[in-house]
Amino acid sequence: AQSVSQHNHHVILSEAASLELGCNYSYGGTVNLFWYVQYPGQHLQLLLKYFSGDPLVKGIKGFEAEFIKSKFSFNLRKPSVQWSDTAEYFCAVKIGTGRRALTFGSGTRLQVQP
Amino acid sequence: NAGVTQTPKFQVLKTGQSMTLQCAQDMNHEYMSWYRQDPGMGLRLIHYSVGAGITDQGEVPNGYNVSRSTTEDFPLRLLSAAPSQTSVYFCASSPRQAANTGELFFGEGSRLTVL
Repeated sequence: AQSVSQHNHHVILSEAASLELGCNYSYGGTVNLFWYVQYPGQHLQLLLKYFSGDPLVKGIKGFEAEFIKSKFSFNLRKPSVQWSDTAEYFCAVKIGTGRRALTFGSGTRLQVQP
Repeated sequence: NAGVTQTPKFQVLKTGQSMTLQCAQDMNHEYMSWYRQDPGMGLRLIHYSVGAGITDQGEVPNGYNVSRSTTEDFPLRLLSAAPSQTSVYFCASSPRQAANTGELFFGEGSRLTVL
């Protein structure tokens, strides 16, 4: 079965530190990749997405992610985090065409200390 | 612009009780789905619908029923609640043009506790 792995379950950073959250998936075919963010008490919001083309995608609030097909990875990065980035981050994958269901990773809780 | 609206936001049930989680969207999205979120397990798909009158099972459908009588509404029913159904439930929708991209629009979630 296809799976999505997020290896960092809980990350604590100080403001201005750089962030990289790992995401690996296990599927060899066509994929669409997503990062969703859930701020405390709020619903999941789309942070960025990759469908095709440039493997380096930029999202909202200064986040970016790089799709490395050979490594089955889609890591999320931000050069300098802010306290307001404290949230839970979910990587998600849609495989193939026709199905719309997303397979989610287990999430990474990011805590940014002022 | 309300988007995806879920009610209730919080609910406590006793084992064996029944209840319905409501989900409504005002974006005329054809696709609607229910996920549950459990610690360390991410979000798992319960049921989904690709249009009014059409529903199908997802990854963890046991113990849940759904119906889709209108485009706007997609209620999730627990007929006999069990402690294992304690979770946070998210409703999500997407438009026809997102069929090949998979982008979802989420509600704010419903936290259910079964004692």
